[in-house]
Amino acid sequence: GESVGLHLPTLSVQEGDNSIINCAYSNSASDYFIWYKQESGKGPQFIIDIRSNMDKRQGQRVTVLLNKTVKHLSLQIAATQPGDSAVYFCAENMMSGGFKTIFGAGTRLFVKA
Amino acid sequence: NAGVTQTPKFRVLKTGQSMTLLCAQDMNHEYMYWYRQDPGMGLRLIHYSVGEGTTAKGEVPDGYNVSRLKKQNFLLGLESAAPSQTSVYFCASNEMTGEQYFGPGTRLTVT
Repeated sequence: GESVGLHLPTLSVQEGDNSIINCAYSNSASDYFIWYKQESGKGPQFIIDIRSNMDKRQGQRVTVLLNKTVKHLSLQIAATQPGDSAVYFCAENMMSGGFKTIFGAGTRLFVKA
Repeated sequence: NAGVTQTPKFRVLKTGQSMTLLCAQDMNHEYMYWYRQDPGMGLRLIHYSVGEGTTAKGEVPDGYNVSRLKKQNFLLGLESAAPSQTSVYFCASNEMTGEQYFGPGTRLTVT
């Protein structure tokens, strides 16, 4: 069935290093994908998105890569900072009688000082 | 511009009690959503609305009802609360495409 999942539930990185968070999806008909960041006690916050007709998109310190061949999505964070510590969700957007988003379980990123 | 707001922030209910969670957005968004988030899990869609006066079921709608009488408000009701409904509830809104804007969440405990 349709699913969006993450390869690793937790990731620990040293401050200043780059972080890579991975996500697998199964629905090749999705319109586009979004990465969200959720800090403790808060709602998810948009980081970056990518449409299914693209394979790479860059933002400020973040890059999202989309590999449609293997149905894989990744979020790269450059020069990880303590403020990047949070749970990161990938989300798959589908149009089916409405506009719904399916979220993965999330990856918790710990940044060590 | 407050974005998406939710009331209340916290609530404790006894089994069988009812309550309504209120979500309000001031961005004139057509689409609104209610999610629940359980510990260590992602967000699961309860109900959503694609416009004023319309609602639709999401992934986990049982035990919940919703109403969208005004474009800016989306209400989530629990008719008879159960311990399995202990969770954090998030409301979100957006236009048809694009990022969703989330509220701060409501932490509900059912004893």
